[in-house]
Amino acid sequence: ELKVEQNPLFLSMQEGKNYTIYCNYSTTSDRLYWYRQDPGKSLESLFVLLSNGAVKQEGRLMASLDTKARLSTLHITAAVHDLSATYFCAVDIRGRGSTLGRLYFGRGTQLTVWP
Amino acid sequence: DTAVSQTPKYLVTQMGNDKSIKCEQNLGHDTMYWYKQDSKKFLKIMFSYNNKELIINETVPNRFSPKSPDKAHLNLHINSLELGDSAVYFCASSHTTGGYYNEQFFGPGTRLTVL
Repeated sequence: ELKVEQNPLFLSMQEGKNYTIYCNYSTTSDRLYWYRQDPGKSLESLFVLLSNGAVKQEGRLMASLDTKARLSTLHITAAVHDLSATYFCAVDIRGRGSTLGRLYFGRGTQLTVWP
Repeated sequence: DTAVSQTPKYLVTQMGNDKSIKCEQNLGHDTMYWYKQDSKKFLKIMFSYNNKELIINETVPNRFSPKSPDKAHLNLHINSLELGDSAVYFCASSHTTGGYYNEQFFGPGTRLTVL
């Protein structure tokens, strides 16, 4: 059974600090996505990682993918309150001989940034 | 202007009733999805349609019936609603064929409350 494990599930951090959220998955995939969800809102696509070694950065967030280790990280630099949200990773798994994939989501990391 | 839209945004109903949720995307995508997000924010895929053809049908009670009249629309009809159906239902779409990757774009969600 495919597992997508995020940790931590809850993260409370002070403004200005750095931290990393981890996403481990249990089967082969070279495509991984990070989403952000604000309370009561929809999911917003943050990063699309399409190959081993992919690194993407947007503002204070940087995402990377290591397909050999089956691990993606979302690094937060100098956190600010506006980053408070729930962050999901999602692994794209394609069936054999199929170009159609499906996403398996982690359980989300609820990030709270306080002054 | 909205990329993926859902109606209604809120749905409050009694147990045993039948209700429908509608979804439309104007992104020209070929694949649409229904997800259920429970109270712990866990996102679980329910159905997926590619070019109006059902391609993912997870273990969902047959009280749930999706319908895709065309590539831009995916509706969800629920019969005999139960308390456990209370959740937020998200529609999403992506372009998965022709070399595109599976970045999914989500609608605003429909919060269903069954009393």
